[in-house]
Amino acid sequence: DIQMTQSPSTLSASVGDRVTITCRASQSISGWLAWYQHKPGAAPKLLIYKASILQTGVPSRFSGSESGAEFRLTISSLQPDDFATYYCQEYSSESRTFGQGTKLEIK
Amino acid sequence: EVQLLESGGTLVHPGGSLRLSCAASGFNFNNFAMSWVRQAPGKGLEWVSSISGFAAGSTYYADFVRGRFTISRDNSRNIVYLQMNDLRVDDTAVYFCAKDQYNDAVRRVWNFDFWGRGTLVSVSS
Repeated sequence: DIQMTQSPSTLSASVGDRVTITCRASQSISGWLAWYQHKPGAAPKLLIYKASILQTGVPSRFSGSESGAEFRLTISSLQPDDFATYYCQEYSSESRTFGQGTKLEIK
Repeated sequence: EVQLLESGGTLVHPGGSLRLSCAASGFNFNNFAMSWVRQAPGKGLEWVSSISGFAAGSTYYADFVRGRFTISRDNSRNIVYLQMNDLRVDDTAVYFCAKDQYNDAVRRVWNFDFWGRGTLVSVSS
């Protein structure tokens, strides 16, 4: 099975900061990677798919990138609404494995 | 507008059974694979099971539920189900329904573009 290692598990930042979350796949996933935002009690929200394609309606401060087996989600200038938990997910295999999640907290 | 509404979560004893439902609207339900994903208390998201759209009901399961859970769909009513048998304490979680972003006529596995808000299953004696 593919393993997805996401880091950090917790990230403290301030409004206006630039932050990056990283996800590493245990084997090649050919860019089949998505990023989601999840807030308590809400439905998870798709942000990025195919590693770098911004989902319709998602603010342009979110971006995704890929370098080999490492994938990054960057938020260029944090807004108050961005404090949430973020997950990567590979979908190159039927098991669609998620990363462990990164909780983005207000510093 | 795409909507996914889960129901059926409740408190159940270990070894018991439960059927979750997810009512879908706002898209051509027949054409898309549907999945269940869960989140245990204090834990992250975990894929549970998927059922294909175009590919005539092919089903897929995580190892930890294979043989105990069964996913199915009723395309006439736009509902996807998760029948959960032999429930264990560690099956306690919020269960989310999710829709594949693209239909599976071209590729079998996609990311999820819409999710429901989940239904809570508690397994406890």
